[in-house]
Amino acid sequence: GENVEQHPSTLSVQEGDSAVIKCTYSDSASNYFPWYKQELGKGPQLIIDIRSNVGEKKDQRIAVTLNKTAKHFSLHITETQPEDSAVYFCAASPPGGSQGNLIFGKGTKLSVKP
Amino acid sequence: GAGVSQSPSNKVTEKGKDVELRCDPISGHTALYWYRQSLGQGLEFLIYFQGNSAPDKSGLPSDRFSAERTGGSVSTLTIQRTQQEDSAVYLCASSFPGIGQPQHFGDGTRLSIL
Repeated sequence: GENVEQHPSTLSVQEGDSAVIKCTYSDSASNYFPWYKQELGKGPQLIIDIRSNVGEKKDQRIAVTLNKTAKHFSLHITETQPEDSAVYFCAASPPGGSQGNLIFGKGTKLSVKP
Repeated sequence: GAGVSQSPSNKVTEKGKDVELRCDPISGHTALYWYRQSLGQGLEFLIYFQGNSAPDKSGLPSDRFSAERTGGSVSTLTIQRTQQEDSAVYLCASSFPGIGQPQHFGDGTRLSIL
């Protein structure tokens, strides 16, 4: 079955710097890749997603890139702010099965220092 | 609009007791998912509903776990004879059906087994 690896597990940056989180997946048939932000005591919140027919997607300070050949995708946050501090999860959605079941990475704890 | 609602937000119970967790999805979302998040870990898929049917129960860890959904809306996850290893945050998500539909999460139920 699908397996998603995420790194780094922790990331500390200065306010204003960029942050990059990388994920790899194993099932080449996976075709949907969302990113979630989870704050303490809250459920994961979808921040951006990408489908396998697209190589890059941007939304203000957040961008996601997908390399289908290498089976990896990355989250890029520019001009980081303290409120970006949270745990970020990548996920992949393999075809078949429950038609939407997400396989998650183990998360990256991002700390943005003012 | 109203998001995914889960109750209770916290549950503390003794080992061996049964517990019931509730999820009220976003109106119109026919797909519903249960995930489990252990301390510092990613999200582990448990079960998927499409309407009232559960075509994928592959993530349920044992026969002590069961779930149902009635009226295509509210779902309950039941854990019988709870064990300490059941302690985790149980998250519910809902979406429109099909692969690539964004899943929206509730804030979860934090379950602690004494």
